[in-house]
This record gives sequence, C-alpha cells and structure tokens, in this order.
Amino acid sequence: DTEVTQTPKHLVMGMTNKKSLKCEQHMGHRAMYWYKQKAKKPPELMFVYSYEKLSINESVPSRFSPECPNSSLLNLHLHALQPEDSALYLCASSPLGLAGYNEQFFGPGTRLTVL
Amino acid sequence: KNEVEQSPQNLTAQEGEFITINCSYSVGISALHWLQQHPGGGIVSLFMLSSGKKKHGRLIATINIQEKHSSLHITASHPRDSAVYICAVPNYGGATNKLIFGTGTLLAVQP
Repeated sequence: DTEVTQTPKHLVMGMTNKKSLKCEQHMGHRAMYWYKQKAKKPPELMFVYSYEKLSINESVPSRFSPECPNSSLLNLHLHALQPEDSALYLCASSPLGLAGYNEQFFGPGTRLTVL
Repeated sequence: KNEVEQSPQNLTAQEGEFITINCSYSVGISALHWLQQHPGGGIVSLFMLSSGKKKHGRLIATINIQEKHSSLHITASHPRDSAVYICAVPNYGGATNKLIFGTGTLLAVQP
C-alpha cells in the first residue's frame, strides 16, 4: 500500500460545528503532516508529527487541534472555524531515520467549506 | 525575494509542444521535489531528485546543484497535462523536513 488516504473528500460545516478530518497511511512512515492550501496558493504547513509526537506547530489557531493516535493515523479536529478557514486540507507522510531528505507523499485532500 | 522561484507563472501550449518549467532556489538543499496538482485536486509527486536527471514517461526533470536550478520538461504535451506544477525544496536535511514551495506554474495545454 503506497498511498495516503484522506476522509472525507468534501466537508461543509457551520461556524459552531465540530468536525474531524482523517488521514491514514500504511507505508510505515513515522512522520505525518497537515497542510492548508488556499486557492491558487502553494500549501502552507500547519503541523508535523514525528513518532506520534507533535514536533512542529506553525502557530496555528487553537480551533485546529491535531491528533496522532497511532503511527498510521492522523486526525485534525475542527471547532468554531471561520469562513476564511475554507481551504483544501492536505495530509502527507514521510519516512524517518533515513539519511538526507525523506520524500513526502501527499493525500488527495479534504475540501473544507465553512459557512 | 522568494527562496524558491518558478517561471513562468502561467503557460499555454498547443498539444504536442515541448514544455519547460524552471525552478530556481536560494537555499541549500539535499533534494528537490516536482509536484503536480490538477484543478481542485490533491498533490501528486512526480519526481524527487538530488542530482542529474530523471525520466518518467514523457516527463524529464533535471537539476544543477551548483547553479541552484532545476527544470521540468514535458515532451509531446497533451491536454491531460494541464495542471499546476510546483517545485519544493526541504529547508534542511534531517528527520522531518519542512518543504519550501514555489508559487507554481499553471499549465494549460490546448488541443
């Protein structure tokens, strides 16, 4: 299995809702990433987990809460979002422990619309 | 000045044309990614390269580490190649690599 899967593909939520995005990989990768991508812009890194521990938080607002319950699964919990949070949310994974750069593999993304 | 710059930003080609997209970077790198994103879609990794040249089908990627420059070539372009092409470099070697993305090149191949 050489892919990163994300669910749901599309999500529409109100500003008072609580929802979660899910990302899964079975490549044995021990680093997982959340990116946010606005239209016509490159992805922006949000969070990085390495060995299931949060290693990078790019000053993301607390209404986004990441969770890595095990080495294959990464969640992004959403609460009290704003319309400007509408974007494509991409997950990626990469191996760890190899010399040099470890290639990131991207999922298909979740298209989030906040009303 | 961005650390990773791409040119051109937009490119329109006729089917069958040879296409070149360029990427220049100012940071030290151990590898460079070429990524493809179709409109509204996720990101697909086309190449990761740290030296020389790689070929996959009609796609060829080259990198010159000394000149800090990489190119992505598409031979015999086809409308299905229409997408945004993004180059990305890790800002440091190590366990978890933060990628610095270029702004992308929007390619439209007309039949």
